[in-house]
Amino acid sequence: DAGVIQSPRHEVTEMGQEVTLRCKPISGHDYLFWYRQTMMRGLELLIYFNNNVPIDDSGMPEDRFSAKMPNASFSTLKIQPSEPRDSAVYFCASSPDSGSYNEQFFGPGTRLTVL
Amino acid sequence: QQQVKQSPQSLIVQKGGISIINCAYENTAFDYFPWYQQFPGKGPALLIAIRPDVSEKKEGRFTISFNKSAKQFSLHIMDSQPGDSATYFCAATYFSSGSARQLTFGSGTQLTVLP
Repeated sequence: DAGVIQSPRHEVTEMGQEVTLRCKPISGHDYLFWYRQTMMRGLELLIYFNNNVPIDDSGMPEDRFSAKMPNASFSTLKIQPSEPRDSAVYFCASSPDSGSYNEQFFGPGTRLTVL
Repeated sequence: QQQVKQSPQSLIVQKGGISIINCAYENTAFDYFPWYQQFPGKGPALLIAIRPDVSEKKEGRFTISFNKSAKQFSLHIMDSQPGDSATYFCAATYFSSGSARQLTFGSGTQLTVLP
């Protein structure tokens, strides 16, 4: 398996623009997580899905952030409009089963820079 | 109560030395404590994990020591190698019926092993 795939790997945009980050989880994994990593706040969970259904979005910072999972093999995280403080590395992770101790597998991340 | 405190923030060790990273938690509901390793430009990857019913777990050069009464756990890297240079995150999680195991991460330790 290729692991969790994220695209793009790097994104540079200007303030006010819409940004869409994409994730393909590992096939067969039931859970998908979106994280944000910054120097100041470390790794933060934004939202997670179970079988394509959003379960907990309490970590989403503002209404400017939205996430979807239209099918088991694809998820998006959208920021509209983007702001400089959104600059961070965004990770997607998937897990085969979160009720047991199964690990979360992280993608390589998308480094977002908002100018 | 959800916080996991990690120290030190950075660590420099000579090749062959022992690297020790410490973490502490408050929430006694946590029942699984993984350590993640992150190389530059990559996502975190599970390194080793422990359940609180044991006091120590060893995998190769990596050992977790767990002190349930003190609510502390630590990662020991024996015979540290330059290839171990990475950022290490401790984490904690607990099972909640009807929801996913959510990882609460420490702030990370940047380890540099000098050749």
